[in-house]
Amino acid sequence: SQQGEEDPQALSIQEGENATMNCSYKTSINNLQWYRQNSGRGLVHLILIRSNEREKHSGRLRVTLDTSKKSSSLLITASRAADTASYFCATDARGQNFVFGPGTRLSVLP
Amino acid sequence: DAGVIQSPRHEVTEMGQEVTLRCKPISGHDYLFWYRQTMMRGLELLIYFNNNVPIDDSGMPEDRFSAKMPNASFSTLKIQPSEPRDSAVYFCASSLGAGVAGEFFGPGTRLTVL
Repeated sequence: SQQGEEDPQALSIQEGENATMNCSYKTSINNLQWYRQNSGRGLVHLILIRSNEREKHSGRLRVTLDTSKKSSSLLITASRAADTASYFCATDARGQNFVFGPGTRLSVLP
Repeated sequence: DAGVIQSPRHEVTEMGQEVTLRCKPISGHDYLFWYRQTMMRGLELLIYFNNNVPIDDSGMPEDRFSAKMPNASFSTLKIQPSEPRDSAVYFCASSLGAGVAGEFFGPGTRLTVL
């Protein structure tokens, strides 16, 4: 079973709106990462958040981590058409390597 | 730095043929990962190396798959013999340390086995 699982599987919004994606996982982690993948391209690392952190920001991205609920969220504010991509969370269960979820496909419509 | 370099970018081969995928990690990165991505199974970790030594190959699907890292700047993933179900995009990634920073992914090799 997936260690990290994103929700929703697909999300469609209008340009300028905010997009929120969630990731739930099953076992305790050291770190959680969010990646973006444009169609047909490799993955791009967005943010790494450690288990002792609750929130991190990077530009229009905001990531939160709630270890008590074993969940994380990625918020993209003021979305743009260029944000259209698949977004993956990856978790490292203690002692193991990063495991990727199935991803959320985000479509930002102009 | 040019980032993680993979070759070839596309490979089309016939069932039963040997396939070799190549990866050059970012200089100075001591971890190297091989992933496979398919629509059905998503992104799967196949194997990873630390300082050229294979650490965990539990994700390698079967004996037809093998990976080597003869030095810090080069790794190969070999499939012999290849089968149609091996068709996927294979990514190589490198990082400074597991859990220290993000993994930097290469552009991937799209493999089609006919």
